[in-house]
Amino acid sequence: DIQLTQSPSLLSASVGDRVTITCRASQGISSDLAWYQQEPGKAPNLLIFAASTLQSGVPSRFSGSGSGTEFTLTISSLQPEDFATYYCQQLNSYPLTFGGGTKVEIK
Amino acid sequence: EVQLLESGGGLVQPGGSLRLSCAASGFTFSNYGMNWVRQAPGKGLEWVSFISASGVTTYYADSVKGRFTISRDNSKNTLYLQMNSLRTEDTAIYYCAKKYSSNWRNFDYWGQGTLVTVSS
Repeated sequence: DIQLTQSPSLLSASVGDRVTITCRASQGISSDLAWYQQEPGKAPNLLIFAASTLQSGVPSRFSGSGSGTEFTLTISSLQPEDFATYYCQQLNSYPLTFGGGTKVEIK
Repeated sequence: EVQLLESGGGLVQPGGSLRLSCAASGFTFSNYGMNWVRQAPGKGLEWVSFISASGVTTYYADSVKGRFTISRDNSKNTLYLQMNSLRTEDTAIYYCAKKYSSNWRNFDYWGQGTLVTVSS
C-alpha cells in the first residue's frame, strides 16, 4: 500500500500569511494526488486534483504542485475561512490512502 | 444539485451487523463509481471501499476486507455498505463520496456522514 506523510501536522499562522503543506508518498504516484479541506463537523471538500488542477469554485489563492513522491499545497494569503484541516489523498492505486492531515490554526 | 444522504448508522454491539445506505440525487448515479470513507472520532480520513458504476468492480481497505460488503442499486440511486463482525475500532462517521469521473478517482461530492458506534 502507498503511504502518505503530511507535514507539518499542525501549522500556526496569521491571516494574510502564505502557507505551504507538504505531502510525501512512499513510492512514485505520478500526478495522482488530490487535496481536501475539512472544517470541524463537516464533510471534506475537494480543493485540487491531478496534483495541480483547481476544482471548480475553489478560490485561486489555493494551488498545488509536485509529481512523483513530493507534493505541496500552498495558500497564498490565508483567509479566516481557511483555518481547517487539510488532507492529501493518493489516487494512483487501490487501496486509496490519505495523509494524516494538517491542521491550520490561528496564531 | 448533487446530494448524497447517508442513513443507517447507530449503536451496535461488537460482533454485530449494520447496513448503511446512501441515497443519491442530482446526477446520473449509474454513470459514476462510489466510495465509502470513514473518520474515527478526532482522527483522520480512512478510505473504506469503492464500487464501479456498474457494480462489477469493488475494492476494500485491508481493515474491512471480508467483513464489509459494498453494493449499489442503480434503479434506486442508492449505495450500500453491509458491515458484519463489527469491532470497536470500526466506530466512526461514515461518508459516501462520489467519484469525480471515469478518468479521475478523487471525490467531488460527499454526504454529511452517519455515525456508527460499536460498543457494549
